[in-house]
Amino acid sequence: DGGITQSPKYLFRKEGQNVTLSCEQNLNHDAMYWYRQDPGQGLRLIYYSQIVNDFQKGDIAEGYSVSREKKESFPLTVTSAQKNPTAFYLCASSPTGWGSYEQYFGPGTRLTVT
Amino acid sequence: GENVEQHPSTLSVQEGDSAVIKCTYSDSASNYFPWYKQELGKRPQLIIDIRSNVGEKKDQRIAVTLNKTAKHFSLHITETQPEDSAVYFCAALYSGGGADGLTFGKGTHLIIQP
Repeated sequence: DGGITQSPKYLFRKEGQNVTLSCEQNLNHDAMYWYRQDPGQGLRLIYYSQIVNDFQKGDIAEGYSVSREKKESFPLTVTSAQKNPTAFYLCASSPTGWGSYEQYFGPGTRLTVT
Repeated sequence: GENVEQHPSTLSVQEGDSAVIKCTYSDSASNYFPWYKQELGKRPQLIIDIRSNVGEKKDQRIAVTLNKTAKHFSLHITETQPEDSAVYFCAALYSGGGADGLTFGKGTHLIIQP
Protein backbone atom coordinates (compact mmCIF):
# COMPACT_ATOMS: atom_id res chain seq x y z
CA ASP A 1 0.00 0.00 0.00
CA GLY A 2 3.03 2.27 0.17
CA GLY A 3 2.76 2.70 -3.61
CA ILE A 4 -0.51 4.62 -3.46
CA THR A 5 -0.44 8.32 -2.73
CA GLN A 6 -3.26 10.78 -2.19
CA SER A 7 -3.01 14.52 -1.97
CA PRO A 8 -3.63 16.68 -0.15
CA LYS A 9 -4.04 15.10 3.29
CA TYR A 10 -6.48 17.82 4.40
CA LEU A 11 -8.63 19.94 2.13
CA PHE A 12 -10.98 22.78 2.98
CA ARG A 13 -13.52 24.23 0.57
CA LYS A 14 -16.47 26.54 0.60
CA GLU A 15 -19.89 25.20 -0.24
CA GLY A 16 -20.68 25.46 -3.95
CA GLN A 17 -17.12 24.87 -5.13
CA ASN A 18 -15.95 21.82 -7.04
CA VAL A 19 -12.81 20.15 -5.70
CA THR A 20 -10.56 17.46 -7.17
CA LEU A 21 -8.78 14.84 -5.07
CA SER A 22 -5.65 13.22 -6.41
CA CYS A 23 -4.79 9.51 -6.37
CA GLU A 24 -1.63 8.04 -7.89
CA GLN A 25 -0.24 4.50 -7.77
CA ASN A 26 3.03 2.98 -8.95
CA LEU A 27 2.06 -0.64 -8.28
CA ASN A 28 1.16 -1.29 -11.93
CA HIS A 29 -2.35 -2.19 -10.81
CA ASP A 30 -5.07 -2.15 -13.44
CA ALA A 31 -7.98 -1.44 -11.11
CA MET A 32 -8.54 1.65 -8.98
CA TYR A 33 -11.33 2.62 -6.61
CA TRP A 34 -12.72 5.54 -4.63
CA TYR A 35 -14.43 5.04 -1.28
CA ARG A 36 -15.98 7.48 1.14
CA GLN A 37 -15.87 7.02 4.93
CA ASP A 38 -18.08 8.89 7.38
CA PRO A 39 -17.55 8.86 11.18
CA GLY A 40 -18.57 5.56 12.71
CA GLN A 41 -19.33 4.09 9.31
CA GLY A 42 -17.79 1.60 6.98
CA LEU A 43 -16.42 2.52 3.59
CA ARG A 44 -18.82 3.07 0.70
CA LEU A 45 -17.88 2.70 -2.96
CA ILE A 46 -18.13 5.83 -5.12
CA TYR A 47 -16.52 4.85 -8.46
CA TYR A 48 -14.18 2.20 -9.76
CA SER A 49 -12.14 1.64 -12.89
CA GLN A 50 -10.84 -1.60 -14.33
CA ILE A 51 -8.86 -0.10 -17.17
CA VAL A 52 -7.78 3.20 -18.67
CA ASN A 53 -10.64 5.25 -20.15
CA ASP A 54 -13.27 3.09 -18.48
CA PHE A 55 -15.02 3.45 -15.12
CA GLN A 56 -18.24 2.43 -13.40
CA LYS A 57 -20.48 3.98 -10.78
CA GLY A 58 -20.46 2.51 -7.32
CA ASP A 59 -23.16 2.70 -4.68
CA ILE A 60 -22.99 6.45 -4.03
CA ALA A 61 -21.81 8.07 -7.32
CA GLU A 62 -24.24 10.99 -7.31
CA GLY A 63 -22.43 14.32 -7.05
CA TYR A 64 -19.04 12.85 -7.97
CA SER A 65 -17.12 12.44 -11.22
CA VAL A 66 -13.88 10.64 -12.16
CA SER A 67 -11.49 10.21 -15.05
CA ARG A 68 -8.93 7.53 -15.90
CA GLU A 69 -6.63 8.92 -18.58
CA LYS A 70 -3.53 7.13 -17.25
CA LYS A 71 -3.12 3.77 -15.57
CA GLU A 72 -1.37 5.40 -12.62
CA SER A 73 -3.93 8.10 -11.91
CA PHE A 74 -7.61 8.17 -10.90
CA PRO A 75 -8.68 11.66 -9.75
CA LEU A 76 -12.04 12.23 -8.07
CA THR A 77 -13.99 15.47 -8.42
CA VAL A 78 -16.48 16.32 -5.70
CA THR A 79 -19.00 18.61 -7.35
CA SER A 80 -21.31 21.19 -5.83
CA ALA A 81 -24.15 18.73 -6.46
CA GLN A 82 -22.89 16.45 -3.66
CA LYS A 83 -25.18 17.21 -0.72
CA ASN A 84 -22.85 16.16 2.12
CA PRO A 85 -19.29 16.26 0.82
CA THR A 86 -17.49 16.47 4.17
CA ALA A 87 -15.89 13.03 4.66
CA PHE A 88 -12.68 11.00 4.59
CA TYR A 89 -11.96 9.90 1.01
CA LEU A 90 -9.89 6.79 0.37
CA CYS A 91 -8.44 5.62 -2.91
CA ALA A 92 -7.47 1.98 -3.48
CA SER A 93 -5.95 -0.15 -6.19
CA SER A 94 -5.75 -3.83 -7.03
CA PRO A 95 -4.48 -6.13 -9.73
CA THR A 96 -7.09 -7.80 -11.92
CA GLY A 97 -7.39 -11.31 -13.20
CA TRP A 98 -8.47 -14.53 -11.55
CA GLY A 99 -7.10 -14.83 -8.04
CA SER A 100 -6.12 -11.17 -7.80
CA TYR A 101 -8.53 -9.66 -5.32
CA GLU A 102 -6.53 -7.71 -2.74
CA GLN A 103 -7.23 -3.99 -2.56
CA TYR A 104 -4.64 -1.66 -1.04
CA PHE A 105 -5.52 1.77 0.23
CA GLY A 106 -3.88 5.17 0.03
CA PRO A 107 -3.51 7.39 3.12
CA GLY A 108 -6.75 9.27 2.43
CA THR A 109 -7.85 12.89 2.03
CA ARG A 110 -10.00 14.50 4.69
CA LEU A 111 -12.32 16.98 2.98
CA THR A 112 -14.16 19.64 4.94
CA VAL A 113 -16.77 21.80 3.21
CA THR A 114 -18.25 24.76 5.06
CA GLY B 1 -26.52 -5.75 -4.32
CA GLU B 2 -24.41 -7.13 -1.52
CA ASN B 3 -25.14 -6.23 2.11
CA VAL B 4 -22.71 -6.91 4.95
CA GLU B 5 -23.69 -6.81 8.62
CA GLN B 6 -20.99 -6.69 11.32
CA HIS B 7 -21.25 -7.33 15.07
CA PRO B 8 -20.53 -6.13 17.65
CA SER B 9 -19.98 -2.43 17.03
CA THR B 10 -17.76 -2.19 20.12
CA LEU B 11 -15.82 -5.00 21.79
CA SER B 12 -13.80 -4.61 24.97
CA VAL B 13 -11.54 -7.48 26.10
CA GLN B 14 -8.81 -7.94 28.67
CA GLU B 15 -5.26 -8.05 27.38
CA GLY B 16 -4.35 -11.65 26.68
CA ASP B 17 -7.93 -12.78 26.07
CA SER B 18 -9.43 -13.66 22.68
CA ALA B 19 -11.66 -11.45 20.54
CA VAL B 20 -14.20 -12.57 17.95
CA ILE B 21 -15.90 -10.33 15.40
CA LYS B 22 -18.70 -11.69 13.21
CA CYS B 23 -20.06 -10.70 9.81
CA THR B 24 -22.89 -11.91 7.62
CA TYR B 25 -23.35 -11.28 3.91
CA SER B 26 -26.34 -11.49 1.63
CA ASP B 27 -25.05 -12.37 -1.85
CA SER B 28 -24.30 -16.08 -2.13
CA ALA B 29 -22.12 -15.34 -5.19
CA SER B 30 -19.56 -13.43 -3.09
CA ASN B 31 -16.25 -15.24 -3.17
CA TYR B 32 -13.73 -13.01 -1.39
CA PHE B 33 -13.82 -11.85 2.23
CA PRO B 34 -11.06 -9.54 3.53
CA TRP B 35 -10.58 -8.04 6.97
CA TYR B 36 -9.07 -4.60 7.44
CA LYS B 37 -7.64 -2.91 10.53
CA GLN B 38 -7.87 0.88 10.75
CA GLU B 39 -6.16 3.00 13.38
CA LEU B 40 -7.46 6.48 14.10
CA GLY B 41 -6.94 8.79 11.12
CA LYS B 42 -5.04 6.16 9.14
CA ARG B 43 -5.74 4.08 6.06
CA PRO B 44 -7.33 0.61 6.37
CA GLN B 45 -4.70 -2.13 6.35
CA LEU B 46 -5.47 -5.60 5.02
CA ILE B 47 -4.73 -8.08 7.82
CA ILE B 48 -6.17 -11.33 6.50
CA ASP B 49 -8.53 -12.55 3.82
CA ILE B 50 -10.29 -15.73 2.82
CA ARG B 51 -11.72 -17.03 -0.43
CA SER B 52 -14.85 -19.05 -0.84
CA ASN B 53 -13.06 -22.31 -1.55
CA VAL B 54 -11.47 -22.28 1.92
CA GLY B 55 -13.15 -22.72 5.32
CA GLU B 56 -10.44 -21.36 7.58
CA LYS B 57 -7.20 -19.42 7.33
CA LYS B 58 -4.71 -18.60 10.05
CA ASP B 59 -1.83 -16.15 10.34
CA GLN B 60 -0.10 -16.19 13.73
CA ARG B 61 -2.61 -14.79 16.27
CA ILE B 62 -5.25 -14.02 13.66
CA ALA B 63 -7.66 -16.45 12.02
CA VAL B 64 -10.71 -16.15 9.81
CA THR B 65 -13.46 -18.74 9.37
CA LEU B 66 -16.06 -18.87 6.61
CA ASN B 67 -19.40 -20.68 6.59
CA LYS B 68 -20.78 -20.40 3.05
CA THR B 69 -24.01 -22.20 3.87
CA ALA B 70 -24.90 -19.75 6.62
CA LYS B 71 -23.24 -16.84 4.75
CA HIS B 72 -21.18 -15.68 7.66
CA PHE B 73 -17.49 -15.24 8.42
CA SER B 74 -15.61 -14.35 11.57
CA LEU B 75 -12.32 -12.86 12.68
CA HIS B 76 -10.59 -14.43 15.67
CA ILE B 77 -7.72 -12.70 17.48
CA THR B 78 -5.99 -14.68 20.22
CA GLU B 79 -3.68 -13.43 22.99
CA THR B 80 -4.75 -9.86 22.40
CA GLN B 81 -2.20 -7.08 22.87
CA PRO B 82 -2.58 -3.30 23.32
CA GLU B 83 -1.54 -2.72 19.68
CA ASP B 84 -4.59 -4.71 18.56
CA SER B 85 -6.79 -1.78 19.65
CA ALA B 86 -8.30 -0.35 16.45
CA VAL B 87 -11.43 -0.45 14.28
CA TYR B 88 -11.81 -3.66 12.28
CA PHE B 89 -13.85 -3.89 9.09
CA CYS B 90 -15.06 -6.95 7.27
CA ALA B 91 -15.92 -6.82 3.58
CA ALA B 92 -17.19 -9.01 0.78
CA LEU B 93 -17.18 -9.05 -3.00
CA TYR B 94 -17.85 -11.22 -5.97
CA SER B 95 -14.81 -11.14 -8.21
CA GLY B 96 -15.08 -12.62 -11.68
CA GLY B 97 -11.53 -11.62 -12.52
CA GLY B 98 -12.19 -7.97 -13.15
CA ALA B 99 -12.45 -4.95 -10.88
CA ASP B 100 -15.16 -5.11 -8.27
CA GLY B 101 -15.76 -2.82 -5.35
CA LEU B 102 -15.83 -4.12 -1.82
CA THR B 103 -18.95 -3.93 0.34
CA PHE B 104 -17.93 -3.16 3.91
CA GLY B 105 -19.49 -3.76 7.28
CA LYS B 106 -19.79 -0.74 9.60
CA GLY B 107 -16.84 -1.71 11.72
CA THR B 108 -16.02 -2.98 15.20
CA HIS B 109 -14.11 -0.82 17.64
CA LEU B 110 -11.87 -3.26 19.52
CA ILE B 111 -10.61 -2.01 22.87
CA ILE B 112 -7.90 -3.97 24.69
CA GLN B 113 -8.05 -3.32 28.43
CA PRO B 114 -4.69 -3.52 30.25
